[in-house]
Amino acid sequence: KQEVTQIPAALSVPEGENLVLNCSFTDSAIYNLQWFRQDPGKGLTSLLLIQSSQREQTSGRLNASLDKSSGRSTLYIAASQPGDSATYLCAVRFMDSNYQLIWGAGTKLIIKP
Amino acid sequence: DADVTQTPRNRITKTGKRIMLECSQTKGHDRMYWYRQDPGLGLRLIYYSFDVKDINKGEISDGYSVSRQAQAKFSLSLESAIPNQTALYFCATSGATGDSGYNEQFFGPGTRLTVL
Repeated sequence: KQEVTQIPAALSVPEGENLVLNCSFTDSAIYNLQWFRQDPGKGLTSLLLIQSSQREQTSGRLNASLDKSSGRSTLYIAASQPGDSATYLCAVRFMDSNYQLIWGAGTKLIIKP
Repeated sequence: DADVTQTPRNRITKTGKRIMLECSQTKGHDRMYWYRQDPGLGLRLIYYSFDVKDINKGEISDGYSVSRQAQAKFSLSLESAIPNQTALYFCATSGATGDSGYNEQFFGPGTRLTVL
């Protein structure tokens, strides 16, 4: 069974720190991987989409990397701010998952002022 | 205005009642999805639709049904609600490309459903 795992489940860091969120997946045969942010009452916001042929994507202070061979992706957040506090979700589209996204349970991030 | 909207945003109902959750989108996407989210778990796909005439079951379709009334509208029904269907429900859309594996999904704000 294809699975996506995010560790840790929760993370609390002081404002200004650079941090890394981890996502691991069980099968290297993927189409793409997507990072989302979830804010309470506001649904999910797509942050970055990495295609299987790419190694990384960047958007502002966010950088996502992809290593298919090891089944890992990381989301790097530079110079964290209290407004970055949210739950971050990783979702993978495996090649034989019939077009479905398989989701991790998320990492709840708290940035302390 | 939001690209993907869901109604209602919150709903409390009783066991055995029929419930309909509605989703509308203005993104012009062909593909629409319904997910549920439970605490501590990832999102799970209930149903998805690649166009008005194409409806497919997802991972957890038992106890649910859907209707794609138009390209922009996709509704989810619980025929006889039960307490373990208490969850946060999300609608999502994505555009069609030559290779469906490259679709980015966009989500509505969610509906919080409580079944007593």
